[in-house]
Parts: sequence; structure tokens; C-alpha cells
Amino acid sequence: SQKIEQNSEALNIQEGKTATLTCNYTNYSPAYLQWYRQDPGRGPVFLLLIRENEKEKRKERLKVTFDTTLKQSLFHITASQPADSATYLCALGNDYKLSFGAGTTVTVRA
Amino acid sequence: SAVISQKPSRDICQRGTSLTIQCQVDSQVTMMFWYRQQPGQSLTLIATANQGSEATYESGFVIDKFPISRPNLTFSTLTVSNMSPEDSSIYLCSVEDPSSYEQYFGPGTRLTVT
Repeated sequence: SQKIEQNSEALNIQEGKTATLTCNYTNYSPAYLQWYRQDPGRGPVFLLLIRENEKEKRKERLKVTFDTTLKQSLFHITASQPADSATYLCALGNDYKLSFGAGTTVTVRA
Repeated sequence: SAVISQKPSRDICQRGTSLTIQCQVDSQVTMMFWYRQQPGQSLTLIATANQGSEATYESGFVIDKFPISRPNLTFSTLTVSNMSPEDSSIYLCSVEDPSSYEQYFGPGTRLTVT
């Protein structure tokens, strides 16, 4: 069956450093992969999408890589800020359906 | 982007009762989605609701337990029927931008069943 695994432990980093989150999957061939941010008590907010034929995507301080051979995506937050503290979810998609990982909680210390 | 509201934002219900959750979108959309997010776990898709047709349920979810209505292009409801404590969860609706595959989520309904 499909499995999507994100960093099992929460990530605590110092302000200004780069946070790197991992999303690994098995038994799945997604057409695209998305990353969402979720704050407590709120619904997820879309951040980035990367398609199966793309290796890397950037948006401001965010960078996503996608390796369909390794079945892995890496999500980087550079020059992190306390406001980046949240839970980050990866989601694999085909057509309109998304399958989500459990998320990684990031805390950025000032 | 789309703005989505849900009602109620939270509720505490007794086992054996039913709760209907409403989802309103500020624009017309073809597909609406209902997800469940149990504490500390990932979002799980319950069903996809298209206007004018029956909802499509994912494995493990059935219409008798989670009936869905989709009366128009901006509104949907999800009912959680004959509730048990195992149904305690956050229920979220979302819509997709078909040109970009981005999904926009409502704030969620936090349900506690006692």
C-alpha cells in the first residue's frame, strides 16, 4: 500500500539557518508533489508544487527538490524566521487526488 | 485563490447523534473535497463532491456514515452519522484550482464525540 513518510521528529532550528524537511514515499507514482503549511487550528495553506518531470522549484526563501528515482522530495526554508514556525505537509497528487504525509513541525528560535 | 468558510468551527456531540458540517466557497468550483485529520495524523480524503452527481467515497468511507450534499457550485455539507468517540477529529473541506492543482482549505471543524 502507499506510504508517505516525513521527518518523524520535530525540527528546532536557530533563526537564520536553513531548515530541511524530507518526504519519502513508496508504492506511488505521483504526477506532482505539493508542500503545504499548517498553523494550529487552521487549514493547510499551499506553498509549492513540483511536477514529476521537474527537479527543483524555488519561491522566495523556499526550495523544493523532487527525485522520482529515490522517491523523495526535500523542502528547504532558507534564512528561517520565527514566523516560519508551523507544521509542513507534503502531498502527492495524481489528477485531483492528494495523499498527505503526517507533517513535520518546525520551530525557529529567535 | 478561493476563500472557504466552515460551520461550525467546533462542536462537542454525544455518541449516537449526527452532525452536519457546512462548507461555503466564495467562487463557483466544480469539485469539493472532504478530509479528516485525526490528532497527530495526516489528512485523509473522505470523498469528492461534484455538483449534480453522487459523491465519490474513498476506501474505508461509506455514504451511510458520511452522507454528502452538493446542491450548488459554492456549497457542500458533510454529515457524520451515528457518531462514536472514534469520529473525534478535525474535518476539513477544500477546493482545487484545476489550472494549477493547488488546493484551498477551509479552517476545519473540530469535532469531539463523548
